[in-house]
Amino acid sequence: ETGVTQSPTHLIKTRGQQVTLRCSSQSGHNTVSWYQQALGQGPQFIFQYYREEENGRGNFPPRFSGLQFPNYSSELNVNALELDDSALYLCASSEATGTRGETQYFGPGTRLLVL
Amino acid sequence: GNSVTQMEGPVTLSEEAFLTINCTYTATGYPSLFWYVQYPGEGLQLLLKATKADDKGSNKGFEATYRKETTSFHLEKGSVQVSDSAVYFCALSRLNRDDKIIFGKGTRLHILP
Repeated sequence: ETGVTQSPTHLIKTRGQQVTLRCSSQSGHNTVSWYQQALGQGPQFIFQYYREEENGRGNFPPRFSGLQFPNYSSELNVNALELDDSALYLCASSEATGTRGETQYFGPGTRLLVL
Repeated sequence: GNSVTQMEGPVTLSEEAFLTINCTYTATGYPSLFWYVQYPGEGLQLLLKATKADDKGSNKGFEATYRKETTSFHLEKGSVQVSDSAVYFCALSRLNRDDKIIFGKGTRLHILP
């Protein structure tokens, strides 16, 4: 059973550019959540996708958007990058059934630096 | 709203010392509680969890008991090792289908040989 994988591992962009981060969920998991972890802080929830639909969103502006694909992999897109977007972006997958979610398992993260 | 408060670090201990990292929470309903660990340069790993009051989660010598009366979930280990050096995050989730994890700010632990 493979775990959660993310790509790329590191990325450097400049202000105003756009970035796409990718996540492959753990086998059997149908839910993907994205978190932003600034240096020295705990992760902050960005949004969650369940069966290809956005299923909850944290306090992030619309320039943060996402997709989930039929195989439950996911992308996080950030437009008009700002310096404060520099962070570790974590993807977590879980299996939700009905109204019940399950424990989330995290990938290794993508470290984004915006110059 | 829901929140998690954990003791600030860094915490520095000698090898084989006893470890306690305090964590308290505020939540509506009956959340599940977690400890995640982040080793240098890596993502988060689930260390242990407890899903209802009085449950004890345990893994790799670490333990935490879900105390509803004190809204706490303190992490303990009887004898720490250098390899336990990492950042530890206390977290909660209601585990509803659309629910997110709420993390504390993390506690950095340094173990000296």
